Amino acid sequence: EAQVTQNPRYLITVTGKKLTVTCSQNMNHEYMSWYRQDPGLGLRQIYYSMNVEVTDKGDVPEGYKVSRKEKRNFPLILESPSPNQTSLYFCATRTGGYEQYFGPGTRLTVT
Amino acid sequence: AQSVTQLGSHVSVSEGALVLLRCNYSSSVPPYLFWYVQYPNQGLQLLLKYTSAATLVKGINGFEAEFKKSETSSHLTKPSAHMSDAAEYFCAVTPSPGGYNKLIFGAGTRLAVHP
Repeated sequence: EAQVTQNPRYLITVTGKKLTVTCSQNMNHEYMSWYRQDPGLGLRQIYYSMNVEVTDKGDVPEGYKVSRKEKRNFPLILESPSPNQTSLYFCATRTGGYEQYFGPGTRLTVT
Repeated sequence: AQSVTQLGSHVSVSEGALVLLRCNYSSSVPPYLFWYVQYPNQGLQLLLKYTSAATLVKGINGFEAEFKKSETSSHLTKPSAHMSDAAEYFCAVTPSPGGYNKLIFGAGTRLAVHP
């Protein structure tokens, strides 16, 4: 089954404690992306990757890092999380027809 | 910059009634326009995709969307609402020109279906 998986699904952490949210896809898509979803704002892109070792900033990259060492994985790293990064995070891949397919989401709370 | 506005953050319909959700976008012709649905505690599921080849596009779950280029808007409709249609619906476009590396989302419309 074609899917995008994210782990963990839920995470509560404290300010400043580094964390990583993993994303993996089994569709062999070159493009992967991270979004955050906040009430009343829809989804906003954090970073995207066109292929292995190729990443670029989206609209809200501050406070986040990414890496793309393998085609199937695209982890999101928060090196020093802050409460304003409390959000629902989605990883996505994209087909050649530009449809984006989303993972189930990771709900992050930073206290 | 491209922007997307969804009219009505909350819409409520009766079961069996017409569902009509509206989306306005700022560019005259976005390269691609998508409607997504998000059920509670789930990710986004693609309902349909518009690529300017037609003005009426059929999607999954009985939804279809009409595109009005002159008004830079899209209407998502379903003739008869089911209780299972209760969810949040998002309109998204690719930025133009040539901006295929991200989607610009509207803020979403939460659809409630009551008996």
